Amino acid sequence: GAVVSQHPSRVICKSGTSVKIECRSLDFQATTMFWYRQFPKQSLMLMATSNEGSKATYEQGVEKDKFLINHASLTLSTLTVTSAHPEDSSFYICSARDWRYQETQYFGPGTRLLVL
Amino acid sequence: SQKIEQNSEALNIQEGKTATLTCNYTNYSPAYLQWYRQDPGRGPVFLLLIRENEKEKRKERLKVTFDTTLKQSLFHITASQPADSATYLCALGGVYNNNDMRFGAGTRLTVKP
Repeated sequence: GAVVSQHPSRVICKSGTSVKIECRSLDFQATTMFWYRQFPKQSLMLMATSNEGSKATYEQGVEKDKFLINHASLTLSTLTVTSAHPEDSSFYICSARDWRYQETQYFGPGTRLLVL
Repeated sequence: SQKIEQNSEALNIQEGKTATLTCNYTNYSPAYLQWYRQDPGRGPVFLLLIRENEKEKRKERLKVTFDTTLKQSLFHITASQPADSATYLCALGGVYNNNDMRFGAGTRLTVKP
C-alpha cells in the first residue's frame, strides 16, 4: 500500500517552455501533498504544500507564479514549471500524506527535469 | 541558525558490521523524527518514525534512538548487507506545524562484501 506515482519520470525541454508534472496517490486519499526539489548531493528542499481544494502554500523564496500547483482531487496534484530556464533543471519529487496516518509522507519516484 | 546535520556525507563499512548514522539538529524542537532511504534517482522510502517522547524504536535490523536533550538521533543497521547501500535521510517533523518536515542532506552508506 501507500504508493505514489509521478509522471513523467524524465523530461527534457527547451528554455521558455512550460512543463507539467503529475503526482498521484494510487491506493489512498491524500488531503495534503508536498512538492520538493533536490539538487545533486543535497537535501530535499520543500517548495510548497498543497491541500485538496485550496491554494498551495509556498515556502519562502519559491515563486508561486513560476511553479503553479493544482491539487484538484484527493489523489492528484500537479506542478507546472512555467517558462522553464536551465537553472530550473533539477529532480522534482512529490509526496503525499495519507489522511489516516498524518505524520508519514509517501514519496513518488521523482521527475528529472532538464531544461536546455 | 537552524541546522540539521548528518554525521558524514559518506560511510563505508564491511558486510556483517553494524552501521551507525547520526542526525544532529540545532534550534529545532521536532515533535517526531523520521528516517528515509533514498536510492540514486529515486524518491525517498519511509523506514521508521520516532516521537519526542520515545527513546528507541526497532524494526527488523533497524534501530533508531532519539535524544531530545542532546538533539540527536542515531540510526543503526545491524548485520549490514550490500543491499543496504543507499543514502539515508533524517527528517524532523512537526517543527512549525503538523505538515512541516525538514530533511537533512543525508549520509551515503556503502556496505562492502
